[in-house]
Amino acid sequence: GAVVSQHPSRVICKSGTSVKIECRSLDFQATTMFWYRQFPKQSLMLMATSNEGSKATYEQGVEKDKFLINHASLTLSTLTVTSAHPEDSSFYICSTGQGLGQETQYFGPGTRLLVL
Amino acid sequence: DAKTTQPNSMESNEEEPVHLPCNHSTISGTDYIHWYRQLPSQGPEYVIHGLTSNVNNRMASLAIAEDRKSSTLILHRATLRDAAVYYCILRSSGGSNYKLTFGKGTLLTVNP
Repeated sequence: GAVVSQHPSRVICKSGTSVKIECRSLDFQATTMFWYRQFPKQSLMLMATSNEGSKATYEQGVEKDKFLINHASLTLSTLTVTSAHPEDSSFYICSTGQGLGQETQYFGPGTRLLVL
Repeated sequence: DAKTTQPNSMESNEEEPVHLPCNHSTISGTDYIHWYRQLPSQGPEYVIHGLTSNVNNRMASLAIAEDRKSSTLILHRATLRDAAVYYCILRSSGGSNYKLTFGKGTLLTVNP
């Protein structure tokens, strides 16, 4: 299956700063990537769908100006959490699809964000 | 995507088979049944998927009921490394919407 990496694996930042998380598809070109957020003891919640060369599609309730997504190439999507606050502390996970109909998604290892 | 129902948790013993059930009574004809699992502090991992026929791969088997309203993920010999949350997800094969909607899943505990 596809290999997806994320960087950094964990980050601690001060409240009010911005944090960028990178998601890379290492062995195939991904026109679509997905960003999820997972709070402790909860399931994954889709935040947005990242489309190469166009604007991301955000899920209801996700602020597009706070969670900036850039998908400038077929192997890289970035999520920037702007003006982070403690409530943004979470596990952020990206994924990409593979297959004729992109039936299967492959997930990155996740980025744990702690905002102090 | 149609909703699925799974038990919150299950327990098994090492080297014994595990049958993880999933109910999806409102499944439509174009919905694939996907299973993913998430080990602690990791991103989810694809396990298996199917449409109508039973499926086997190196990780598991997927048994799909004839009416497709339920399915069972089978781990033939559980190991400690199989301890994870298992998610049963329906995804339509139509259109260009490839996103997955995760439920709460089943937390599988494997006892040594």
